[in-house]
Amino acid sequence: DAGITQSPRYKITETGRQVTLMCHQTWSHSYMFWYRQDLGHGLRLIYYSAAADITDKGEVPDGYVVSRSKTENFPLTLESATRSQTSVYFCASSETGGEPQHFGDGTRLSIL
Amino acid sequence: GNSVTQMEGPVTLSEEAFLTINCTYTATGYPSLFWYVQYPGEGLQLLLKATKADDKGSNKGFEATYRKETTSFHLEKGSVQVSDSAVYFCALSVPGSAGNMLTFGGGTRLMVKP
Repeated sequence: DAGITQSPRYKITETGRQVTLMCHQTWSHSYMFWYRQDLGHGLRLIYYSAAADITDKGEVPDGYVVSRSKTENFPLTLESATRSQTSVYFCASSETGGEPQHFGDGTRLSIL
Repeated sequence: GNSVTQMEGPVTLSEEAFLTINCTYTATGYPSLFWYVQYPGEGLQLLLKATKADDKGSNKGFEATYRKETTSFHLEKGSVQVSDSAVYFCALSVPGSAGNMLTFGGGTRLMVKP
């Protein structure tokens, strides 16, 4: 089925570990986004990508790395996880930029 | 910079009550405005949007009017249902900004009781 899928849905890891969150979309949208959702902050943009091999920082990029070698995939890596990165992470895509964005169901990440 | 402010929740209503969720914004340029809805355990879904002043977005009985003079985009529904229980996010996007990125408000949780 067409759509945007995130994996895993749930992840528990320890501080200092590297963890990668996956995002895959089947629409061939140009733009893809990573957000984190925290109580009281709404959604905050971590990184976005306008096309394959083009990425840029959002509002809260520190501690995260992204890549986009293929249009349909946009993985997010926490190189050395910290407790402050415990959050729900959402991937989104759109054809032309900010509107409308289609969201995945999220990954709930807990860092102990 | 750009910012969106929403009323804090939770908002608790009885079924068939009238709903208003306030949203105000500050933005450089001429933003497009959006309401997204998030049901439990799911991602956000676009509910409605408006791209210029005085436009009214509507969907599933929800409405919001782009008021430039008051920099507001309040969400309304005449008669809520239990199935409307969710978190609602107001957001803006300024065309031509980096990535046309969305700026979100903090979200308002709506709980509708039978």
